[in-house]
Amino acid sequence: QTVVTQEPSFSVSPGGTVTLTCGLSSGSVSSSYYPSWYQQTPGQAPRTLMYNTNSRSSGVPDRFSGSILGNKAALTITGAQADDESDYYCVLYLGGGIWVFGGGTKLTVL
Amino acid sequence: EVQLLESGGGLAQPGGSLRLSCAASGFTFSNHAMSWVRQAPGKGLEWVSLIGARGATIYYADSLKGRFTISRDNSKNTVYLHMNSLRDEDTAVYFCARGRWQPLYYFDYWGQGALVTVSS
Repeated sequence: QTVVTQEPSFSVSPGGTVTLTCGLSSGSVSSSYYPSWYQQTPGQAPRTLMYNTNSRSSGVPDRFSGSILGNKAALTITGAQADDESDYYCVLYLGGGIWVFGGGTKLTVL
Repeated sequence: EVQLLESGGGLAQPGGSLRLSCAASGFTFSNHAMSWVRQAPGKGLEWVSLIGARGATIYYADSLKGRFTISRDNSKNTVYLHMNSLRDEDTAVYFCARGRWQPLYYFDYWGQGALVTVSS
């Protein structure tokens, strides 16, 4: 069974830069997995941030960026703000009509 | 403005059934794939199922095959999730999402979710 891995938690200072990653339990993540990223605050629906590795969804500020770093997909937040404090989820398309979400990263801004 | 509104959530008994609906507006529904994603209390997101724009293509998470059925009615701009043989672990908020499929693979708009509680 394929497991998508994310850091359970991360902390960043206001104005700082943080990179969250999205990996595979076995193998490397490439753009062929069409990694996408979602932001969710408690009690709210997810918000789409990034798709196709590095394309920003409509209305997402350019301080959010996506990439492939080594063997993982990555979401970088530059100039973190207080309202960036959320849960962040990546999802990979494994092919054959199957998507798998990572377990999510709880980002704290303090 | 794209809007997705789920309904049909509530309390179901173990072994019981429930049907969720998701009414879509603000876009040409028949041109888009639709998906369901769920989130158990305090847990992460889990992809459940996707149905293609015409309804001919359907995919399920392996763990749910045989119990859940996705369908759509393009004349009503509505996608459904029929859930049978419900288990305690199916308790979750179920989100409807518009799926982008071929050549991109992601979910671009989300509903607010419907809570399903399975309990005796």
